[in-house]
Amino acid sequence: DAGVTQSPTHLIKTRGQQVTLRCSPKSGHDTVSWYQQALGQGPQFIFQYYEEEERQRGNFPDRFSGHQFPNYSSELNVNALLLGDSALYLCASSHVRGGELFFGEGSRLTVL
Amino acid sequence: ELKVEQNPLFLSMQEGKNYTIYCNYSTTSDRLYWYRQDPGKSLESLFVLLSNGAVKQEGRLMASLDTKARLSTLHITAAVHDLSATYFCAVDLVGTYKYIFGTGTRLKVLA
Repeated sequence: DAGVTQSPTHLIKTRGQQVTLRCSPKSGHDTVSWYQQALGQGPQFIFQYYEEEERQRGNFPDRFSGHQFPNYSSELNVNALLLGDSALYLCASSHVRGGELFFGEGSRLTVL
Repeated sequence: ELKVEQNPLFLSMQEGKNYTIYCNYSTTSDRLYWYRQDPGKSLESLFVLLSNGAVKQEGRLMASLDTKARLSTLHITAAVHDLSATYFCAVDLVGTYKYIFGTGTRLKVLA
């Protein structure tokens, strides 16, 4: 049973560029959440997707956007990258009824 | 806004010793989760606590939840080096779809 998978695992961008991160949820899960974890801090909620719509959003600017596909996989897009966007981006999946989140290995983004 | 605070932030302990990590949160919630994170890695689920008085144990770790006090504890018994990691508690915010994570406790077990 495949768990949550994310790609790419590492990437380096320069300020002003755009990045797309991808996530496939755990089998049987239909809800995907994205979290940003800066170095030495706890994960911060970006947004959650269910039924291909953004269900809730955290305190992140509009530069952060997402998408969920009919197969429940999801993408996180960040435009106009800033140095402060450097972080580990974690995708987590769950069932719509709620409960435990299962996290992927993350995508480590470095912005130079 | 819900706040989740852990203490201590850093913990260095000798192998074989016992210690407790505390997680306090500032609003009503009856669901709390503990995760472990190794350096450069993702979050591994340790415990899911879904009601007041819940107690879960796995190996040398035991977690409990007191929703009235808005407090959860993670107790370490006879620590071993392999327990060295960062531990996070997370609260499921009622009426929303997000977890709020604590600040994390970085545990180092010394041989």
